[in-house]
Parts: sequence; C-alpha cells; structure tokens
Amino acid sequence: AQSVAQPEDQVNVAEGNPLTVKCTYSVSGNPYLFWYVQYPNRGLQFLLKYITGDNLVKGSYGFEAEFNKSQTSFHLKKPSALVSDSALYFCAVRGPSDYKLSFGAGTTVTVRA
Amino acid sequence: DAGVIQSPRHEVTEMGQEVTLRCKPISGHNSLFWYRQTMMRGLELLIYFNNNVPIDDSGMPEDRFSAKMPNASFSTLKIQPSEPRDSAVYFCASSSGVNEQFFGPGTRLTVL
Repeated sequence: AQSVAQPEDQVNVAEGNPLTVKCTYSVSGNPYLFWYVQYPNRGLQFLLKYITGDNLVKGSYGFEAEFNKSQTSFHLKKPSALVSDSALYFCAVRGPSDYKLSFGAGTTVTVRA
Repeated sequence: DAGVIQSPRHEVTEMGQEVTLRCKPISGHNSLFWYRQTMMRGLELLIYFNNNVPIDDSGMPEDRFSAKMPNASFSTLKIQPSEPRDSAVYFCASSSGVNEQFFGPGTRLTVL
C-alpha cells in the first residue's frame, strides 16, 4: 500500500524567510511524487513532480523539492516566501504503474508580512 | 486550454433530492477522476475512468452515488437521494496517461 505523511499541520514563516514543507512517503517500487497547492475555494494546482533524474526538482512560483530516496522524503522548499504563498499544500505519491494518487493530509502555510 | 471545467460551482439542495455534478476534462486527456474533499476525511478518490471506462469505483460511498462518462469530453457524478453527510467539495481531475492530474475548481455541495 502507498501512503504519504505530512507531519506538520501548519507552517508559519515570515515573508522573505525560507519555507519548507515536509513530506515522507511509502510506496512499492520507484515513486512518482507530486506537490499541489490549494488556495481558498479553489481546486488543487500542480506545482511540481519527481519521476526520475535529478533529485532537485524545480517547479512553479519559485518552488523546488528534493527527492531523498534513503529517507523516503520529498520536502517542498522556497528560498524566500511571499505572503501570497499562504495556502494549503498537498504531497502525493503513486507507484510507477499505478493510476491512484495517495495524498497527504495537507499542510497549511501562513506567511506573515 | 481552459483546464478542467466543472458545473455547477455551488449547489444547495434539500435532503432526498437528486444532485448531478458535471465535468469536462482537458481535451486529449484519457484519464478522469472524481474526488471528494471534506475537513474530516481530506481528499478521497471516488471513481477513476480510463478511456471513458470505469476502472475503479471502490471509493464510491454507497449505491446512492453513480458516475458516468458517455464520451471523452464529459462526465457526471450523481447522488440520489442526497443526504446531509454528502455535503463536501467534489473535484474532477484529468490526466494524460500516468502524468500529473489537473484539477477542476470543484463543486461545493450543501445538502440541507
């Protein structure tokens, strides 16, 4: 069975500071990993994915994520957070031949001015 | 591309009424997913279609829920009869093969 853990319900940072949202996963085989962001009253927006290749993946809005196989982690990072980054962030995983995505419970990010 | 389109965006109905949610996937995508999001349960996959065929409906809560995909550009999720516990945000998502899923804006359903 595949699963995702997002250990922090909430992350609070000051604008301009680095932002990290943690994610660990469990899956059979090589993982396909995704990050999505959800703004209030909106659908989930795709940010970035890791399938293969470079462990550091760059995505939309200045976000990046680092795949760490030994720690089964895929943490989302942004070097300098903006107030507009305040939203709900979801990590998701599936196996290489799966269609079903397993989502984490989500992490609410609040960036204060 | 307009992205995944869902209608209505909001639906308020009374218990016992039939509710139909609609989705138009991104053109060219061959996979379609219906999800439900609640505070208590988070995101739940209800049903998955591939090439218009239902592949996995194990997430459909009960017989009151049904979904169809008559063609590659349209899908419906029907609840009959609706109950207050069905109140949630329902999302449709589509993807091409095993690539990332793209989500619609959702339908916020309130059953009184």
